[in-house]
Amino acid sequence: DTAVSQTPKYLVTQMGNDKSIKCEQNLGHDTMYWYKQDSKKFLKIMFSYNNKELIINETVPNRFSPKSPDKAHLNLHINSLELGDSAVYFCASSQERAGGPYNSPLHFGNGTRLTVT
Amino acid sequence: EDQVTQSPEALRLQEGESSSLNCSYTVSGLRGLFWYRQDPGKGPEFLFTLYSAGEEKEKERLKATLTKKESFLHITAPKPEDSATYLCAVQARAGGTSYGKLTFGQGTILTVHP
Repeated sequence: DTAVSQTPKYLVTQMGNDKSIKCEQNLGHDTMYWYKQDSKKFLKIMFSYNNKELIINETVPNRFSPKSPDKAHLNLHINSLELGDSAVYFCASSQERAGGPYNSPLHFGNGTRLTVT
Repeated sequence: EDQVTQSPEALRLQEGESSSLNCSYTVSGLRGLFWYRQDPGKGPEFLFTLYSAGEEKEKERLKATLTKKESFLHITAPKPEDSATYLCAVQARAGGTSYGKLTFGQGTILTVHP
């Protein structure tokens, strides 16, 4: 069974369109994330949710809106897509404990390659 | 701002030729340093977490070490299946909760030739 699954794997769309990426985890984790990997392979955090509550919201355009219907799902909706949004988007999850010394590692999905033309 | 720099950007080895990858970091209080492996078309796969200087962890042909300023990933007698991009990331202490905000380096692309 896939621990963190994302759909779709590939997404090709035109500028100005609105698209969504879905993510589900079956690990029972409390925290989920969206990371963006650019053409130079840098992974940067965009958002994190803990038990459906938005915890981290990095400097991301308002066109990006995450939604977490329950702690096993975190979707990413992108409005008015731009050429610069082309990248690979990774969903991840972990079992975080507030203030705890122990970090559970992030488990990543296999990514969604978004191409905006 | 937390920063992670990995070197070299790319490394080509012959099978059995041991080497090390470097990860230099600056962080406002280290909560943890992570090593991941990423294969083409896949998400990063967790390898190790290191928490304090002097700590070492091993897994098969890989050994990760940590100092106050850098971490090394030593690869002993590598095999072609070890070919991948190796990513280093740090997590800073931030008010007791940081919820997994990792700052990643750009990775080292390792190619092991048979």
